[in-house]
Amino acid sequence: EVQLVESGGGLVKPGGSLRLSCAASGFTFSSYSMNWVRQAPGKGLEWVSSISSSSSYIYYADSVKGRFTISRDNAKNSLYLQMNSLRAEDTAVYYCAREGGSSSLLDWGQGTLVTVSS
Amino acid sequence: SYVLTQPPSVSVAPGKTARITCGGNNIGSKSVHWYQQKPGQAPVLVIYYDSDRPSGIPERFSGSNSGNTATLTISRVEAGDEADYYCQVWDSSSERVFGGGTKLTVL
Repeated sequence: EVQLVESGGGLVKPGGSLRLSCAASGFTFSSYSMNWVRQAPGKGLEWVSSISSSSSYIYYADSVKGRFTISRDNAKNSLYLQMNSLRAEDTAVYYCAREGGSSSLLDWGQGTLVTVSS
Repeated sequence: SYVLTQPPSVSVAPGKTARITCGGNNIGSKSVHWYQQKPGQAPVLVIYYDSDRPSGIPERFSGSNSGNTATLTISRVEAGDEADYYCQVWDSSSERVFGGGTKLTVL
């Protein structure tokens, strides 16, 4: 059974930093691209970033480019999102998701809440 | 960047057919994926590659894609189908793009 478990969310002040983690199990982590997707309270889904299986290809949404950094450790079956210069509009539940063909998101974690507020 | 347009809400009576559209410029040339999200839960993939169903998704869920519109069709709608539905594509700029979401209400 595929499991994706996010952690690292919490309350942070504007301008602060936070590092999210996603622990993966139940599949060969090193064979799949992974994504972060967020959802602001009461709003829709917003893609944040993706990373290929070997970290060769990394992409970001314009809204986070230059502030967020995605990375992975295939030896630890883990995905990360380093978030710097956080803003109030970054407040959201952050999901990690396993990617299938044509960028379909096959499996999702339960999410971790990030709140940016003074 | 590429934009996907969904109706904010769709209502349907139990046992009837619900159709949720997803509009985009020449979306028929892209692969469209659909997700179901119930309150307080993570999204679940219900349709991929326009019309394929992951294992465990009922046959009542189907999809089509042509021209400028992709459609998620839910036949014989049940109360448990009430949820938010999102379409998603991969754009040539390597972005993953979501529609704004449609709230399906079962009357």
